[in-house]
Amino acid sequence: QKEVEQNSGPLSVPEGAIASLNCTYSDRGSQSFFWYRQYSGKSPELIMFIYSNGDKEDGRFTAQLNKASQYVSLLIRDSQPSDSATYLCAVIYSGAGSYQLTFGKGTKLSVIP
Amino acid sequence: DGGITQSPKYLFRKEGQNVTLSCEQNLNHDAMYWYRQDPGQGLRLIYYSQIVNDFQKGDIAEGYSVSREKKESFPLTVTSAQKNPTAFYLCASLGKSKTGELFFGEGSRLTVL
Repeated sequence: QKEVEQNSGPLSVPEGAIASLNCTYSDRGSQSFFWYRQYSGKSPELIMFIYSNGDKEDGRFTAQLNKASQYVSLLIRDSQPSDSATYLCAVIYSGAGSYQLTFGKGTKLSVIP
Repeated sequence: DGGITQSPKYLFRKEGQNVTLSCEQNLNHDAMYWYRQDPGQGLRLIYYSQIVNDFQKGDIAEGYSVSREKKESFPLTVTSAQKNPTAFYLCASLGKSKTGELFFGEGSRLTVL
């Protein structure tokens, strides 16, 4: 069973601060890693994806991947109230002809004005 | 515009009734997925299909059935055998780029009365 673990939160940060979201995964064969944002009652939307060890930056968002430790994180700089949502970590395992995306339970982020 | 259309958005069902959720995509994607989401939970994979006339069970397939007769369509039937069907159901398709991004429909919320 491939597992993806996240701290469910809620994580509360003041406006303008850095929010740090963490995720660990169990399958060393995992190849690609994603962060989705989901507002209440809505479908998830992709924020970041990362394949290689290290950091990847896109605007206020930075994804960090450490395959040796099997963790991936998302940093949100200058947090805004509009960032308040649940953040889902997802991991792809591609093997034996199948291509499955496994999700964590999500971390709820609240940005306090 | 290209995208994934799920219907109905809200559905109420009496116990013992089967119900079918529709998922249609015009993105020309090969792989399609059905996920279930319960409050405060992540997405759990019900079924997926990587090609027409073929589909595979996910982690929680019991009480559900699917078909994939056309590339564009991947309907999900929630049968009376599903013991706790009240949930938010999300259909997704897999993009053709190497990012592995999932494109989601807006979801169908099923409530069993």
